[in-house]
Amino acid sequence: EDKVVQSPLSLVVHEGDTVTLNCSYEVTNFRSLLWYKQEKKAPTFLFMLTSSGIEKKSGRLSSILDKKELFSILNITATQTGDSAIYLCAAVETSGSRLTFGEGTQLTVNP
Amino acid sequence: EPEVTQTPSHQVTQMGQEVILRCVPISNHLYFYWYRQILGQKVEFLVSFYNNEISEKSEIFDDQFSVERPDGSNFTLKIRSTKLEDSAMYFCASSPFGLAGGAQYFGPGTRLTVL
Repeated sequence: EDKVVQSPLSLVVHEGDTVTLNCSYEVTNFRSLLWYKQEKKAPTFLFMLTSSGIEKKSGRLSSILDKKELFSILNITATQTGDSAIYLCAAVETSGSRLTFGEGTQLTVNP
Repeated sequence: EPEVTQTPSHQVTQMGQEVILRCVPISNHLYFYWYRQILGQKVEFLVSFYNNEISEKSEIFDDQFSVERPDGSNFTLKIRSTKLEDSAMYFCASSPFGLAGGAQYFGPGTRLTVL
C-alpha cells in the first residue's frame, strides 16, 4: 500500500524565520510528488516534482525531490503570517492518477 | 484565473437519504476526481473520471457512490443512502492531464454532515 509521511506534524515559528517541511514516500511505480497549501478549505497547488535534484521555486517557497532517498522538502524563507496553513504533500504513481496524501504539516507563523 | 467550483458549500442530511454533490471543473480540463477528508484525517481519493467513465476508484467508493457528468460542465457525486461515517469534506478536483501527470486543482469543498 502506498504511503506518504510528513514531518513535523505541527510547527510554530516567528515571522521572518525559515522553515523546512519534510515528506517521505513509499509508492510503487512513483511518478510525481505534489505540494499543496490548505488554508480554510481547498488545497491550493504549489509544486509538482518529477525529476530528482531539480529545485522548483516560487517566490519565497522552494521544493526539491530526492528519488533515491524517497523524500521531498518544502522550504519557506522569510515566513509571513499569511504562510500559516496546512501544507500537504501527495504522491502519484505512473499507473494511475490518484493522489496519496500525507497527514499534512500545520504551520503557524506568529507576528 | 479559472477555478473549480462546488455546490453546496455545506449540506446537512438525515442518515439514509440520498445526496448529490455538484462540481464545475476548470473548462479545458479532461480528468475529474473526487476526494474526501474526514475531520482530522488525511485527504483520501475516491474516484477518477475520464471520457465519461470511471478510470480508477478506491475501496471507499462502493456501490453507494456514483459519479456522473450529466452535461459539458458539471460533474456530480451521488451517495445513495448516506451513513453517519459519510460525514466529511468532499473535494472535487480537475486536471488537464491524467496519466501524463498534470497537477490536480481542487475546489473549495462541500461539507457533508449526516445526522
